Amino acid sequence: QKEVEQNSGPLSVPEGAIASLNCTYSDRGSQSFFWYRQYSGKSPELIMSIYSNGDKEDGRFTAQLNKASQYVSLLIRDSQPSDSATYLCAVSGAGSYQLTFGKGTKLSVIP
Amino acid sequence: EAGVAQSPRYKIIEKRQSVAFWCNPISGHATLYWYQQILGQGPKLLIQFQNNGVVDDSQLPKDRFSAERLKGVDSTLKIQPAKLEDSAVYLCASRELVNTGELFFGEGSRLTVL
Repeated sequence: QKEVEQNSGPLSVPEGAIASLNCTYSDRGSQSFFWYRQYSGKSPELIMSIYSNGDKEDGRFTAQLNKASQYVSLLIRDSQPSDSATYLCAVSGAGSYQLTFGKGTKLSVIP
Repeated sequence: EAGVAQSPRYKIIEKRQSVAFWCNPISGHATLYWYQQILGQGPKLLIQFQNNGVVDDSQLPKDRFSAERLKGVDSTLKIQPAKLEDSAVYLCASRELVNTGELFFGEGSRLTVL
């Protein structure tokens, strides 16, 4: 059974601070890693994808992957109240494009 | 580009009744998924279609859930009879046949079983 673990939070950070979200996964064969943002009552939307070890930056978001440690993280710089949402980590195996999701971490950015 | 369409958005039924959800994926997306998201949890895959064939339905409770995708486009998910624990949001997602794996989700159908 493939598992994806996240701290459910809530994680509270002040506006302008860096929010750090973490995720671990059990399947060493996992190849693709995604972060989805889900606002309350809405569907998940993709914000970052990462496929190789290291960092990937997109605007205020940075995804970090360490396959040896089976660990993936998401950093949000200059956090804004509009970033308040649940962040879902999702993982898929080679070529399957079948995502296994974590339970999500609820982030609150305090003005 | 139109997104993934789902209906109904909300449904309330009594236990042991039946319900059906409909999904129309993004045009040209060959792969379609149904996920179940229980409050406070991440989405859980129920079934994956590629065109009109089933790729994986290992987590679909087949004694009560069924799904079909006729002509490789629209899909329906049916629950009969419903149980209290089926209360959840049912998310449909689609993906192009060849891409980096991004799934596009519909707004979901929220089911409450009383």
